[in-house]
Amino acid sequence: KAGVTQTPRYLIKTRGQQVTLSCSPISGHRSVSWYQQTPGQGLQFLFEYFSETQRNKGNFPGRFSGRQFSNSRSEMNVSTLELGDSALYLCASGRGNTGELFFGEGSRLTVL
Amino acid sequence: TQLLEQSPQFLSIQEGENLTVYCNSSSVFSSLQWYRQEPGEGPVLLVTVVTGGEVKKLKRLTFQFGDARKDSSLHITAAQPGDTGLYLCAAGLDNFGNEKLTFGTGTRLTIIP
Repeated sequence: KAGVTQTPRYLIKTRGQQVTLSCSPISGHRSVSWYQQTPGQGLQFLFEYFSETQRNKGNFPGRFSGRQFSNSRSEMNVSTLELGDSALYLCASGRGNTGELFFGEGSRLTVL
Repeated sequence: TQLLEQSPQFLSIQEGENLTVYCNSSSVFSSLQWYRQEPGEGPVLLVTVVTGGEVKKLKRLTFQFGDARKDSSLHITAAQPGDTGLYLCAAGLDNFGNEKLTFGTGTRLTIIP
């Protein structure tokens, strides 16, 4: 069974640019969540999608957005990048009601 | 305010020793998970505990959920270098059956051969 796939794995952007990250969940999983991981703040919840609907949102500014497609694949977008957005962005999929998440390897974003 | 506090933050011990890491909160959880993350990888689910007082074993790892479902511990027996990693506890604090998890601060474990 294929795991969660995230692309790209690494990317470098400059301040003010925008970025789109992609996530393909485990087949059959309808929930996709996104987390930001930094050394100072640890793992912080961004948002969760279930059946194409945003079910939960964390405390991040509106520059962070996401969506889920009918095949459960998800994308997240960060606009007007700031230096502080440099982080590992992790996508996780789940069945939707168990709390058990399966993570991808992450997309490491560096903002210069 | 960190809802899930883990201790210790860092732990470095010799191969073969035993260790325990803790996850504490003032909130009650419907369930709690433990994950391990290695450098360059995403967290990997180790276990889910649901019932107060529950004990689960995964080879040399023993997980316990507090009676009041506010805390948990992870005990490793005869630690091996392969146990090195970042250990994270996580819980869904709103008990609505969704998958919005709050993660603990993490314990970075290093096993010295």
